[in-house]
Amino acid sequence: GQNIDQPTEMTATEGAIVQINCTYQTSGFNGLFWYQQHAGEAPTFLSYNVLDGLEEKGRFSSFLSRSKGYSYLLLKELQMKDSASYLCAVLDSNYQLIWGAGTKLIIKP
Amino acid sequence: DTGVSQDPRHKITKRGQNVTFRCDPISEHNRLYWYRQTLGQGPEFLTYFQNEAQLEKSRLLSDRFSAERPKGSFSTLEIQRTEQGDSAMYLCASSLVGTFSGANVLTFGAGSRLTVL
Repeated sequence: GQNIDQPTEMTATEGAIVQINCTYQTSGFNGLFWYQQHAGEAPTFLSYNVLDGLEEKGRFSSFLSRSKGYSYLLLKELQMKDSASYLCAVLDSNYQLIWGAGTKLIIKP
Repeated sequence: DTGVSQDPRHKITKRGQNVTFRCDPISEHNRLYWYRQTLGQGPEFLTYFQNEAQLEKSRLLSDRFSAERPKGSFSTLEIQRTEQGDSAMYLCASSLVGTFSGANVLTFGAGSRLTVL
């Protein structure tokens, strides 16, 4: 079967750095996405990785290792507005997105 | 373009009633998806269209669910004889195939929250 695993919840302090991990087992791989979802709102696109390595976008970076079936999202200089759920999703061989359950990130002052 | 619009934002209905949700995608996008999401879970795929053609429907989807996309523009999702287990957020998303090679970057609407009493 297809499976994406993320921690259910993480807590971090304002101004700090946090890394949210995602491991996946899917039938084929055509890229991995990270989305941010604030409570009661729609997911919004953060990043896309299809090759191994680190993609940096401002305070957010995303890393991919295809051989390990592993990705992480790194958030630096955390702000209170970063409190949200972070969803990992993999595009499988049929170009269907397989979603993780999301990681709820709680930022404390 | 104001993004992906969904209507209504909230719907409360009694068990056994039919409900219909509407989605207006980004006008230049050719793919439209419907997802269902419950609290603490990721989006669950329901169905998707490329232009007006419905290309895939989840095998887990009950026959009570039907979706249309006439003329390849807006889409409707109808749930017949609603059950309490249908209570969820129904998300619509659209994408332009080919934005990234082999990828789909989805733009989501704000969702339609259904509560079945």
